[in-house]
Amino acid sequence: DAKTTQPPSMDCAEGRAANLPCNHSTISGNEYVYWYRQIHSQGPQYIIHGLKNNETNEMASLIITEDRKSSTLILPHATLRDTAVYYCIVRVFDTGFQKLVFGTGTRLLVSP
Amino acid sequence: AAGVIQSPRHLIKEKRETATLKCYPIPRHDTVYWYQQGPGQDPQFLISFYEKMQSDKGSIPDRFSAQQFSDYHSELNMSSLELGDSALYFCASSRQGEYEQYFGPGTRLTVT
Repeated sequence: DAKTTQPPSMDCAEGRAANLPCNHSTISGNEYVYWYRQIHSQGPQYIIHGLKNNETNEMASLIITEDRKSSTLILPHATLRDTAVYYCIVRVFDTGFQKLVFGTGTRLLVSP
Repeated sequence: AAGVIQSPRHLIKEKRETATLKCYPIPRHDTVYWYQQGPGQDPQFLISFYEKMQSDKGSIPDRFSAQQFSDYHSELNMSSLELGDSALYFCASSRQGEYEQYFGPGTRLTVT
């Protein structure tokens, strides 16, 4: 699985958009980009995933560059409850076996 | 909606004792994963089961064993506990063909 690089921490004002970058320059053509987050000591939570097209769901948007070497997770209107560690994970999607390899992630602090 | 259930939520053991952690996956999920998260660390994959067979193995100590039962619940057995085994242990479940992995609330194991 490709390695990812994320900034260790970011700050965001409540109500503003939070843009979390992730570099994955060695990504292969069949590898997906997944985002999970972990709110303090809770189980990680799936946010979104994508292959090469931009994706949006009720939680966030995922923007993947055309060369797929980097991506950005966007929380459009961050709230205090979005304070968490965000993990960008790149892996092949195997039907049935989805081991997740967590890197160091980005600690996002949303302030009033 | 039903979530992943883990028991117990907290466990205190002494060195060299044994511990058994239980995980009940979301109904109709056929795959279970175990992760360990030490203090200040990121989750690390231990082992997974698909249809009651071990499907993948990570950095799980030989002192640990796990299995998945006919009702799809899983148990992680830990023997000869060491101080370094103190951690949060997460169980996650998924269904083959689906991208998302759902995590339980975790079991906090403290070894004294």
